[in-house]
Amino acid sequence: QSVLTQPPSVSGAPGQRVTISCTGSSSNIGAGYDVHWYQQLPGTAPKLLIYGNSNRPSGVPDRFSGSKSGTSASLAITGLQAEDEADYYCQSYDSSLGYVFGTGTKVTVL
Amino acid sequence: QLQLQESGPGLVKPSETLSLTCTFSGGSSSSSSYYWDWIRQPPGKGLEWIGSIYYSGSTYYNPSLKSRVTISVDTSKNQFSLKLSSVTAADTAVYYCARHPRRGGMDVWGQGTTVTVSS
Repeated sequence: QSVLTQPPSVSGAPGQRVTISCTGSSSNIGAGYDVHWYQQLPGTAPKLLIYGNSNRPSGVPDRFSGSKSGTSASLAITGLQAEDEADYYCQSYDSSLGYVFGTGTKVTVL
Repeated sequence: QLQLQESGPGLVKPSETLSLTCTFSGGSSSSSSYYWDWIRQPPGKGLEWIGSIYYSGSTYYNPSLKSRVTISVDTSKNQFSLKLSSVTAADTAVYYCARHPRRGGMDVWGQGTTVTVSS
C-alpha cells in the first residue's frame, strides 16, 4: 500500500487540460522532500517527466508542469494529445520507508 | 549516453534466490553523483522501490523487503546486482534498474526484465 495517493484515472479530450494529484503526509512530501513524476507508456519502462517538483528534463514538452504545496503535489498536462495516454506516477522520499511511488494514474484521451 | 540493461533468469522457483544484474554502458557506476536503483512492477500493478546503492557502496532498502534483499556494485564490470532470497509468487514482476542523482528523479532506466516465480 503506497503512502502517496493518486486518483486511479483521469480523462480529457484532445486539447484539454488535466491534472493529477499526489497526496502524501508529513513524513514525505510535507517534510520537504522533492516530488518527481514519471510517464509509463504501455509495455515500456517509466520515463522521468518532472524532477524536483517542477523541473522538466531536456526533451520533455512544456505541456507538462509540476507543482507542490504542503503535503501534496500535482502534475498538469495542457493541450492533451493522444500520445499522452499512459500511466503516470509520482515519487518522493519518506523518512521511514525510503523512496516511495504513488499509486499511479491512468490518463485516457477521449 | 548512459544505457542500462537488466539480465538474469526469467523463472525462479519458490524459496530460491532471485539474482539480477544491471549492466551500464556509456558511463560509470563510480560517479559520485548517483544512486543506482532497483524497482519492480507486479503484473497490472504499480511501481515498488526495492533498494538503492550509492557509488560508495552504501545501501538503502525498502523496509518491507530488507530482510531478503542484497544490492551490490562491481565497478570493474560496470554492473550492479540484486539478490532477493526466499521468493514467492508475490515476487513475480518486471524488475527495472535505474539511477538517480542525489537530489533528482530516476532519469535513466533499463528496459526491464520479467521474473516469474513458479515451480
